[in-house]
Amino acid sequence: NAGVTQTPKFRVLKTGQSMTLLCAQDMNHEYMYWYRQDPGMGLRLIHYSVGEGTTAKGEVPDGYNVSRLKKQNFLLGLESAAPSQTSVYFCASSYLGTRADTQYFGPGTRLTVL
Amino acid sequence: KQEVTQIPAALSVPEGENLVLNCSFTDSAIYNLQWFRQDPGKGLTSLLLIQSSQREQTSGRLNASLDKSSGRSTLYIAASQPGDSATYLCAVFTGGGNKLTFGTGTQLKVEL
Repeated sequence: NAGVTQTPKFRVLKTGQSMTLLCAQDMNHEYMYWYRQDPGMGLRLIHYSVGEGTTAKGEVPDGYNVSRLKKQNFLLGLESAAPSQTSVYFCASSYLGTRADTQYFGPGTRLTVL
Repeated sequence: KQEVTQIPAALSVPEGENLVLNCSFTDSAIYNLQWFRQDPGKGLTSLLLIQSSQREQTSGRLNASLDKSSGRSTLYIAASQPGDSATYLCAVFTGGGNKLTFGTGTQLKVEL
């Protein structure tokens, strides 16, 4: 049982390049989330999904797109990377997203945009 | 807008000391409050989840309390060990979009 995994672990992009971050979970969770963590800012929700085929905007969605074509995978895309998107990105999942559910986090992807 | 504050931002204690980490939040309409641990370069690990109807939760040497009316939570760590060194984050769940709002964390160092 791998839990939540993220690919890649590190990436360096040039401004304007695109990339996709992959999150996978093997816990049969319905809810999945993408966060970014910046120094002094705490974790902020980018997008989330309440089930296969659904996505919704979080607190800081601009510049990102997501897709949830399969229940176990949640993809985060950057179409045209900007230096402001330099951050550590975390994926998380939870069973049903109810008040009793905790979120399980992946190890993170450290992205640098030059 | 919900805001979560953690004080202090950093804390250094000798091994064996009991310690308290503080978390405060501005909107008391929460469903639960969670404490997480984050080791350098790693993801977050859930430590304790307190539902809004509960006052505290315990796991081993950890005890978390919640006073929803005053917008405060504390994480008590008993008999601290060097392995407890990490950043501790609190987060409140306000539903309506499944939103967890995080504090910026307390970086704890337990010295031998």
